[in-house]
Amino acid sequence: SQTIHQWPATLVQPVGSPLSLECTVEGTSNPNLYWYRQAAGRGLQLLFYSVGIGQISSEVPQNLSASRPQDRQFILSSKKLLLSDSGFYLCAWSMGHLNSPLHFGNGTRLTVT
Amino acid sequence: SQELEQSPQSLIVQEGKNLTINCTSSKTLYGLYWYKQKYGEGLIFLMMLQKGGEEKSHEKITAKLDEKKQQSSLHITASQPSHAGIYLCGADKGNTNAGKSTFGDGTTLTVKP
Repeated sequence: SQTIHQWPATLVQPVGSPLSLECTVEGTSNPNLYWYRQAAGRGLQLLFYSVGIGQISSEVPQNLSASRPQDRQFILSSKKLLLSDSGFYLCAWSMGHLNSPLHFGNGTRLTVT
Repeated sequence: SQELEQSPQSLIVQEGKNLTINCTSSKTLYGLYWYKQKYGEGLIFLMMLQKGGEEKSHEKITAKLDEKKQQSSLHITASQPSHAGIYLCGADKGNTNAGKSTFGDGTTLTVKP
């Protein structure tokens, strides 16, 4: 069966510090991978998605970047965090075709101080 | 872009009562997903609806998609404390943007024992 791992679970970082969140998927090949951000009391906003190694699409302009160095590894990064980067970040995978549900990791709670 | 509106925003029910959550789209839905999220955790996929008039059930949860494919409802029968959480509907962003979903803002369900 497929599993998705996301870490760390919580992170407190000062403004201006770098960020690296990692996500790995097991049990499937060539998944589509996604980074979403969830603001308190709101739905999810798609940040990045990837259909293959090295292929990254950004949905919204922001202070973050994503990379996919391996088929089942997805990394969310920032060189300098802003206060507005605080939030709940979720990694997800899907098979990528229409009507393919998303499968989420447990999320990372990021607080920028 | 497709907007998903969920109602109610929050719901408090007594254990054993039935309840319904609605999800309405401004455009035709190509795939409608229901997810459940416990606070601070990732989303768990519940059900997917594709066809107008489709209805699916899992244990005491039933989801329906209307004939026009613009509204879905999630119905819980004889609610239990284990049903508490945030319910989110999600939909594919058109028939060519497979895997990229837009989400409603969620409905927070509290079940009082």
